[in-house]
Amino acid sequence: DGGITQSPKYLFRKEGQNVTLSCEQNLNHDAMYWYRQDPGQGLRLIYYSQIVNDFQKGDIAEGYSVSREKKESFPLTVTSAQKNPTAFYLCASRPIGRGNSGTGELFFGEGSRLTVL
Amino acid sequence: QKEVEQNSGPLSVPEGAIASLNCTYSDRGSQSFFWYRQYSGKSPELIMFIYSNGDKEDGRFTAQLNKASQYVSLLIRDSQPSDSATYLCAVQTTDSWGKFQFGAGTQVVVTP
Repeated sequence: DGGITQSPKYLFRKEGQNVTLSCEQNLNHDAMYWYRQDPGQGLRLIYYSQIVNDFQKGDIAEGYSVSREKKESFPLTVTSAQKNPTAFYLCASRPIGRGNSGTGELFFGEGSRLTVL
Repeated sequence: QKEVEQNSGPLSVPEGAIASLNCTYSDRGSQSFFWYRQYSGKSPELIMFIYSNGDKEDGRFTAQLNKASQYVSLLIRDSQPSDSATYLCAVQTTDSWGKFQFGAGTQVVVTP
């Protein structure tokens, strides 16, 4: 079955540590996204990528970093510079470009919940 | 002003009644509009999308779009307890690569 796999589902981090959240998709989607969700708030865009080896900052990129070395993978690193990293992190993807079908919506992984101790 | 605004709720709806959710957006050039349902602790799942002015029906769900007034709404008919969730409005802006802006969501509680 095609889909987006995020791991780990739950992660605890001590202050000052970097952590990396994994996101893998087998949907052959070009674009991938990372969102952050805090309680009672909508999704805020951290980073996005349209093609391999290229990515752009979203609205709240400070304290985060990403890489896109493969089409299928878009890992997110939460660095120690992120002062309030406790949140629910969602990875998403969507097809773009010619020949892609569908409604153009975002497909989401199951999310990773990060808690800072 | 937030780019996408929704009433946070909670919206309490008796079982079997109609739930009406509203969403307004600021980018007049926005082209695509989506409603996602999100259960507590879970990721969002798409329930409706709409691109053109007017109504679009899918089962118990109806999406309504009015681009001139910059609002999109979602109606849930014959509300069921399983409809209790947070509903997120998402608007695809005019950026060429397809940036999505999300509202904060409206919590719906269907009471038996």
